Amino acid sequence: KQEVTQIPAALSVPEGENLVLNCSFTDSAIYNLQWFRQDPGKGLTSLLLIQSSQREQTSGRLNASLDKSSGRSTLYIAASQPGDSATYLCAAGLNTGFQKLVFGTGTRLLVSP
Amino acid sequence: GAGVSQTPSNKVTEKGKYVELRCDPISGHTALYWYRQSLGQGPEFLIYFQGTGAADDSGLPNDRFFAVRPEGSVSTLKIQRTERGDSAVYLCASSPRLAGGEQYFGPGTRLTVT
Repeated sequence: KQEVTQIPAALSVPEGENLVLNCSFTDSAIYNLQWFRQDPGKGLTSLLLIQSSQREQTSGRLNASLDKSSGRSTLYIAASQPGDSATYLCAAGLNTGFQKLVFGTGTRLLVSP
Repeated sequence: GAGVSQTPSNKVTEKGKYVELRCDPISGHTALYWYRQSLGQGPEFLIYFQGTGAADDSGLPNDRFFAVRPEGSVSTLKIQRTERGDSAVYLCASSPRLAGGEQYFGPGTRLTVT
């Protein structure tokens, strides 16, 4: 059974810092890995999707990497801003013939001005 | 274009009542998913539709939960004899294809059973 863990559970940083969020998964047979952002009381916004054949994806100040063999993914946020404050969730996409996502419990990020 | 929409945004019901939660996916998306998110947890898979059929309902917690998608677009999640433990945010997502496709999530329905 696939299990996804995110460390740390919460992170507080001053504005401008670069930071790394970690995600680990127990079964390396994933189809892809997706990072989401969730604001309080809101749904999920997809940030980056890394296919199993890829090593990383970049969007603006965000960079996500994937190492299937070690069961790890990281989300790097450069020059953090207060607007980045949210919960970040990673989800492993299972190869079940459809896109079943297994989520971690998230990292709650607070960027203070 | 319009994203995934869910109604109602909030639903408060008494224990034992029946509720229906609606999801309107992105137009043209054939795959539709329901997830449940309890407080402080990540979303958990409930059921997946490809077109009109439920291709995988292995995440439904018990037979009080049922979902339909009669015309391959809008889906309704139905919960009978609600229990306090059913309180959670119910999220719907759609995707343009079967596997490997990005899932787009709606804002969720917050269900509170009193």
